[in-house]
Amino acid sequence: EPEVTQTPSHQVTQMGQEVILRCVPISNHLYFYWYRQILGQKVEFLVSFYNNEISEKSEIFDDQFSVERPDGSNFTLKIRSTKLEDSAMYFCASSTNRVMDEQYFGPGTRLTVT
Amino acid sequence: KNQVEQSPQSLIILEGKNCTLQCNYTVSPFSNLRWYKQDTGRGPVSLTIMTFSENTKSNGRYTATLDADTKQSSLHITASQLSDSASYICVVSGYNTDKLIFGTGTRLQVFP
Repeated sequence: EPEVTQTPSHQVTQMGQEVILRCVPISNHLYFYWYRQILGQKVEFLVSFYNNEISEKSEIFDDQFSVERPDGSNFTLKIRSTKLEDSAMYFCASSTNRVMDEQYFGPGTRLTVT
Repeated sequence: KNQVEQSPQSLIILEGKNCTLQCNYTVSPFSNLRWYKQDTGRGPVSLTIMTFSENTKSNGRYTATLDADTKQSSLHITASQLSDSASYICVVSGYNTDKLIFGTGTRLQVFP
């Protein structure tokens, strides 16, 4: 069964460093998403991406964040200058369509900022 | 403010027993409500998706109900198994938005 994959599974970085989290969505999906989950808290929407551009973003997704689909398979989330409060689990998801379609989540990347 | 609240926060049951988890939301305008299962350290997995016109939807031993008038939903798990131990998250989507609003989840533990 197709699945969303994410790399790395765990990333440790120092405050102020740039990190890139990578995702490979399911191949025939057209909509891509990033979410984050701070330890012990609820999952939060960051951004949605369709047709090579951001479709919607939350207030969390400020200028420090960017997303890209550099080729036909990868979908990346870049954090330009990490802060301690960026430490969280980051989930990528993909779906065939918007709204009513099931979003398939990857296993997540745990980001630890020291 | 659009919010999703769940209860109980945690629940312990014995294998084979049934349980019901609750969800209340204030998201408006409403598009759909989803229930996800999340194992520790893993991504959420969809169980059901319902629009405002659907009252109930089943997926195996999982049955979700929705009352769009009172903005309440429940997830009923029948004949629980040890593998049902996980967090169950209620997620609501507003109209014409990609943003899913997640509840804090109910942590279910099933013991033999």
